[in-house]
Amino acid sequence: DGGITQSPKYLFRKEGQNVTLSCEQNLNHDAMYWYRQDPGQGLRLIYYSQIVNDFQKGDIAEGYSVSREKKESFPLTVTSAQKNPTAFYLCASSTGDRVQETQYFGPGTRLLVL
Amino acid sequence: QKEVEQNSGPLSVPEGAIASLNCTYSDRGSQSFFWYRQYSGKSPELIMFIYSNGDKEDGRFTAQLNKASQYVSLLIRDSQPSDSATYLCAVNKAGGGNKLTFGTGTQLKVEL
Repeated sequence: DGGITQSPKYLFRKEGQNVTLSCEQNLNHDAMYWYRQDPGQGLRLIYYSQIVNDFQKGDIAEGYSVSREKKESFPLTVTSAQKNPTAFYLCASSTGDRVQETQYFGPGTRLLVL
Repeated sequence: QKEVEQNSGPLSVPEGAIASLNCTYSDRGSQSFFWYRQYSGKSPELIMFIYSNGDKEDGRFTAQLNKASQYVSLLIRDSQPSDSATYLCAVNKAGGGNKLTFGTGTQLKVEL
């Protein structure tokens, strides 16, 4: 089945700990995105990547880091510098980065702070 | 002014009625507009997209775009209880390639 997978479904972070969220797609999409959703809020863009080995900051990149070493993978690390990490994290991908291309979402990872 | 604005709702409609969801955006250069449906605790799923002024129909769903008024809407005909969800409006950023700005969503409740 083609699609986007995210793991884990739930993740718990201790104070001062870095955690990494996984996002994998087998759709052969070039572009991938990370969003954060807080309760009652819209999605906010953290980072995006248009091509392997290249990525750009979104609107709320502080406290996060990413890598894009493979086309199918775009992991997100939530660092200890992110003071309010509790949120629903959504990974998306699209064929390319042109204006009219649809973004498709993975199932999400819910991050909670202990 | 928010870049993409939606009434948070909840919007309650009886089963079988037409639900009308509205969205306004501030960037006149925006070119593509998307409606996503999000069930509680789940990720968004694409309902429709629209690029040109006018109406676009897909089954029970109709998207309407008016770029002069910076307004996009989604009509759901013959609303079903399974349509109860939050509907997110997303608009691309002018000059930003495929970067999307999302509204906060409108919660729709279809009542029996």
